[in-house]
Amino acid sequence: QKEVEQDPGPLSVPEGAIVSLNCTYSNSAFQYFMWYRQYSRKGPELLMYTYSSGNKEDGRFTAQVDKSSKYISLFIRDSQPSDSATYLCAMIGGGSYIPTFGRGTSLIVHP
Amino acid sequence: EAGVVQSPRYKIIEKKQPVAFWCNPISGHNTLYWYRQNLGQGPELLIRYENEEAVDDSQLPKDRFSAERLKGVDSTLKIQPAELGDSAVYLCASSLVTGAGELFFGEGSRLTVL
Repeated sequence: QKEVEQDPGPLSVPEGAIVSLNCTYSNSAFQYFMWYRQYSRKGPELLMYTYSSGNKEDGRFTAQVDKSSKYISLFIRDSQPSDSATYLCAMIGGGSYIPTFGRGTSLIVHP
Repeated sequence: EAGVVQSPRYKIIEKKQPVAFWCNPISGHNTLYWYRQNLGQGPELLIRYENEEAVDDSQLPKDRFSAERLKGVDSTLKIQPAELGDSAVYLCASSLVTGAGELFFGEGSRLTVL
């Protein structure tokens, strides 16, 4: 079992839909949680960054962390075709300074 | 501000041939990472540098992979000889602070080994 599990999708939604992307993890020492967005044939770029449990909002994006359940989510409101990309969750903690990435979820937002 | 620059973007080689990838990190970023991303997978760390020192290379297949970071700036990742299973995207990233999680990635070097 991998430390970070993420459904690869693809997840296909109509424009304007609310999107929910999720990751589960097994290492309870993870403390920092990130979401990266990766467009096709590009490198990942940091989208959201949270520390410990709770919610963080940035425009149409909300990151949620539930440490008790070892579960993190990214919500995208009013999704746009330009949101079509692969979303990678990543985590840091337990004495490691290196982000551990999930495999990514492919999101397709169709007009 | 210029981002992380990688070259070449694409490389196709025959198995057993050597290949090298180059990375120029963001100016002032002391930490440099090389990741490998297989199709449909997340990035996996190969090696991390703090300035010119390799501080985390446990996942680097040292029998065929080598890396260097001269003068703590540019870095080169080499594979010799390449195997079919090395086909992947090789991503370079840099960060200002180690452990903060905000990595800045280049566009990657896509390697195809025939």
